[in-house]
Amino acid sequence: EPEVTQTPSHQVTQMGQEVILRCVPISNHLYFYWYRQILGQKVEFLVSFYNNEISEKSEIFDDQFSVERPDGSNFTLKIRSTKLEDSAMYFCASKTGGVSQETQYFGPGTRLLVL
Amino acid sequence: RKEVEQDPGPFNVPEGATVAFNCTYSNSASQSFFWYRQDCRKEPKLLMSVYSSGNEDGRFTAQLNRASQYISLLIRDSKLSDSATYLCVVNDSSASKIIFGSGTRLSIRP
Repeated sequence: EPEVTQTPSHQVTQMGQEVILRCVPISNHLYFYWYRQILGQKVEFLVSFYNNEISEKSEIFDDQFSVERPDGSNFTLKIRSTKLEDSAMYFCASKTGGVSQETQYFGPGTRLLVL
Repeated sequence: RKEVEQDPGPFNVPEGATVAFNCTYSNSASQSFFWYRQDCRKEPKLLMSVYSSGNEDGRFTAQLNRASQYISLLIRDSKLSDSATYLCVVNDSSASKIIFGSGTRLSIRP
């Protein structure tokens, strides 16, 4: 069964450093998402991406964050200058089409720790 | 009012028991509803979609009441493997984001 994959599984970085989190969505999916989950808290929407552009973003997704799909398969989340409060699990998700009833499939996540 | 609200639990019930979770949502224009489960330190996984007519999948039954903006999940004959956090998820009126509740923790004891 096709799966969303994410790399790395864990990343430790120093405050102020840039990190890039990578995702490979399911191959025939067209809608891509990033979510984050701070330890002990709920899953929060960051951004959605379709047709090579951001379709929606949350208040969390400020100028420090960016997304791109550089090669048609990888979908990346970049944090330019990490802060302590960026420590969280970051989940990538994808789905086939734009119908709201369609399921989003989640990757296993990248656990980011900012020191 | 929170966008999606759930009782955080934890619910601690014996194996074989029936347990019910409730969820309310604030946006009356929400279009789609789901229950996901999340095991500790893992990704959310779809348990079932929730339809207006109610739907059942084995031991799991989901109900939606649009007038009250209320969603429920019933688990019958609970198993040890049902121990997890159950997330109520609502799709915003756009096709873009889904909104998660904080989750209800369920622990099944032998």
